Amino acid sequence: GNSVTQMEGPVTLSEEAFLTINCTYTATGYPSLFWYVQYPGEGLQLLLKATKADDKGSNKGFEATYRKETTSFHLEKGSVQVSDSAVYFCALCYNFNKFYFGSGTKLNVKP
Amino acid sequence: DTEVTQTPKHLVMGMTNKKSLKCEQHMGHRAMYWYKQKAKKPPELMFVYSYEKLSINESVPSRFSPECPNSSLLNLHLHALQPEDSALYLCASSHSQDRDRGNTIYFGEGSWLTVV
Repeated sequence: GNSVTQMEGPVTLSEEAFLTINCTYTATGYPSLFWYVQYPGEGLQLLLKATKADDKGSNKGFEATYRKETTSFHLEKGSVQVSDSAVYFCALCYNFNKFYFGSGTKLNVKP
Repeated sequence: DTEVTQTPKHLVMGMTNKKSLKCEQHMGHRAMYWYKQKAKKPPELMFVYSYEKLSINESVPSRFSPECPNSSLLNLHLHALQPEDSALYLCASSHSQDRDRGNTIYFGEGSWLTVV
């Protein structure tokens, strides 16, 4: 079946530290991959996406590369800010309307 | 700013009440979704409408009744809910079957529901 596995949080970093949040997936075929971010009390916002192998999604300093050989889509940012504190969800889309979400990783960034 | 609008943002209802959650999008999307999210958990899919027809029902109890009056609107009618139904209800939309656009789901900000 299709599924997404994320590293468990919370992840606590100091401001300007390097961020990696691991995400691996299991899917038949070739899904699209996404990272969504959820700030406290809000809905989910699309952060970035990649639709095929070796694509790199990027937005607001965050990056993730679709790695078919390792079935991974790890989220990275070179220098985090306090405002990046949120919950991050990795997701895959298979067969157009079927979206599968990981369990979410909470990021805390301290000044 | 999200282009999926949900109302109300907060709702408190008793177990015998009937209420509705409403969702609207003007992005021309032909697929609309209801998700339920409990605290510290990922969103769980409830229903999917594709071209105004119910295409996916993830075995949701009948006390939740979805309705899609047209391609821009999606409602969730609530009746005889239980306290454990208290959660954040998220509406979302996407292009239905357009491989070239690489399907992406866009969420509203959610409706916080408390059942007392």
